[in-house]
Parts: sequence; C-alpha cells; structure tokens
Amino acid sequence: NAGVMQNPRHLVRRRGQEARLRCSPMKGHSHVYWYRQLPEEGLKFMVYLQKENIIDESGMPKERFSAEFPKEGPSILRIQQVVRGDSAAYFCASSPSGGFNTGELFFGEGSRLTVL
Amino acid sequence: ILNVEQSPQSLHVQEGDSTNFTCSFPSSNFYALHWYRWETAKSPEALFVMTLNGDEKKKGRISATLNTKEGYSYLYIKGSQPEDSATYLCASNQAGTALIFGKGTTLSVSS
Repeated sequence: NAGVMQNPRHLVRRRGQEARLRCSPMKGHSHVYWYRQLPEEGLKFMVYLQKENIIDESGMPKERFSAEFPKEGPSILRIQQVVRGDSAAYFCASSPSGGFNTGELFFGEGSRLTVL
Repeated sequence: ILNVEQSPQSLHVQEGDSTNFTCSFPSSNFYALHWYRWETAKSPEALFVMTLNGDEKKKGRISATLNTKEGYSYLYIKGSQPEDSATYLCASNQAGTALIFGKGTTLSVSS
C-alpha cells in the first residue's frame, strides 16, 4: 500500500515563474493537508482539502498561492510568480476520514522548492 | 492563534540514557495532541494521538503523557539508542481547526 506520494521532490524555479507541486494521498484517503516548512521553522499549516472542496485555507497566503484536489487525480499546490521567500519544503499529508479529527496524519516526503 | 511550543530545541544524549521532552499548548478548547517522529530525509510518522486528560500511551521504549488542564504533554524515551536520533514533533488542535505543529525537539544519541 503506497504511502503519500509527492512530486517533484525537488523543484528549481526562477523568480516570476510558476511552481506546481503534486500530492497523491494514500489509497482510501480523501482528505489532504498542505504544510510549509521554511528554513529554521516548523511545519506551518496552509490548506485543508477534500475531494473538489477547499475546507480551510486559513494558512494560505492571500496572493499567488492556490490549491485544488479534483475528483480525479492528485492534489496540486500552485504558486504563481514565485519569489525567493517561497523557497521552502512543502509537505502534503492525508487522512482517511473527517476533517480535523483525532486521527493521525500520513505525510509525504515533501517537495523542496528553490527559487533563484 | 494556537501556539505550540516544544523544549528543548535540541539535545544530545549517550546511548542508554533516558530523556524527555516537553510540549505546551493552549488548554482552552483542546481537541487532540499528536506526537510525530521525523527522521532525516524521511517523512514524519505518527507516534501517538491523545485526546483525554491523563492519557498515557506507550510504544516500546517511548511513552507520552497528556495534561489538558494545564496544557502540556511529555514524551519519554527510556534507554535511548542511536536509532532514536530524530526530530520529535508535537502538534495540537482545537475542535474544527487545523493541526498546528511545534518546531520540534531534535534528539541525537551517541553510541
């Protein structure tokens, strides 16, 4: 049973380009969470999605960042017009059931974005 | 905004030593407390999820306690081994809110 799969593992972009990070949750999981780890910082919550719905995006920057989790396919975190401050590791996690419940999160290995 | 604090930030122990870390979180509207173990170049893996005041959980040489009234949890490692070297993350949430993580405690165990 494959775990949470994230790709690409490493992505280099120049300022102003777009970055797309993909996350396939564990089989049977319909809840996806994105976290960002800036250098010397902990994991910061960005967004929580269920299939075709954004449930909580309170941690998402208001501009340039968007996320989706379509009915078919992986969840995508999209960063438009990247800036150097977007350089970070982006982690996806999934859970099998309802919302911010007491179940554990299953994490991917992260996508490391470097903006030149 | 929910703030989860962990201490110490890092520590170094000798093989066989026992150690413990602290996680503090807001006690109001508490919902759950998670501990994760994060080895270098891998993904965080859940150790424990606790919800009730006074909860104690154990997995091998690792155990955790929870005090929701005063807002803290302890993680204990008995007889540390080099393979215990990792960053230990604590996370908490209130009902209906996202899981908020502390910055972690990085443990290094020397043989």
